[in-house]
Amino acid sequence: KQEVTQIPAALSVPEGENLVLNCSFTDSAIYNLQWFRQDPGKGLTSLLLIQSSQREQTSGRLNASLDKSSGRSTLYIAASQPGDSATYLCAPKGGGADGLTFGKGTHLIIQP
Amino acid sequence: NAGVTQTPKFQVLKTGQSMTLQCAQDMNHEYMSWYRQDPGMGLRLIHYSVGAGITDQGEVPNGYNVSRSTTEDFPLRLLSAAPSQTSVYFCASSYWPKSGASQETQYFGPGTRLLVL
Repeated sequence: KQEVTQIPAALSVPEGENLVLNCSFTDSAIYNLQWFRQDPGKGLTSLLLIQSSQREQTSGRLNASLDKSSGRSTLYIAASQPGDSATYLCAPKGGGADGLTFGKGTHLIIQP
Repeated sequence: NAGVTQTPKFQVLKTGQSMTLQCAQDMNHEYMSWYRQDPGMGLRLIHYSVGAGITDQGEVPNGYNVSRSTTEDFPLRLLSAAPSQTSVYFCASSYWPKSGASQETQYFGPGTRLLVL
């Protein structure tokens, strides 16, 4: 059974800093990995999707990397802003029709 | 496009009552799924469907039923609510290639908060 760990569980940094969120997973036989953002009381918003054949994916100030063989992914946020405050979730996708496996998330606070 | 919509946004039930959580998407996605989110547990898959007439169980299916009569709708039924079903429920959808080899980006609805007393 796939298990996903996200480190750190919580992070509070001042505005403007670059930061890295970590995700590790136990089963490297994945098809893709998706990073989501969740604001309090809201649904999940997809940030980036990395296919298993890719090493990196970028969207604006966000960059996600994937090392499938070692079971790791990182989300890099450049020049953080207060609007980036949210919980960030990592979810690898295995083969077949079953769904995503989620980590418990990193709760991020960007201080103005 | 409205994307993935869920109703109601919030519901209070008494133990033993039944209800249906509604989910609809207007993106013509074949794949739809239901998750529940509990504090300290992360999101867990309840049921999923790869097309109309096809459903299957996820990680935590007990106490829930689903059916998929159309591509657009995927309702989740609680037949006899229990306090352990107090949670936030999310519906998600995505394209599902005929080969079934992978999924593309999953889109989530805003969630339904359910409290069972």
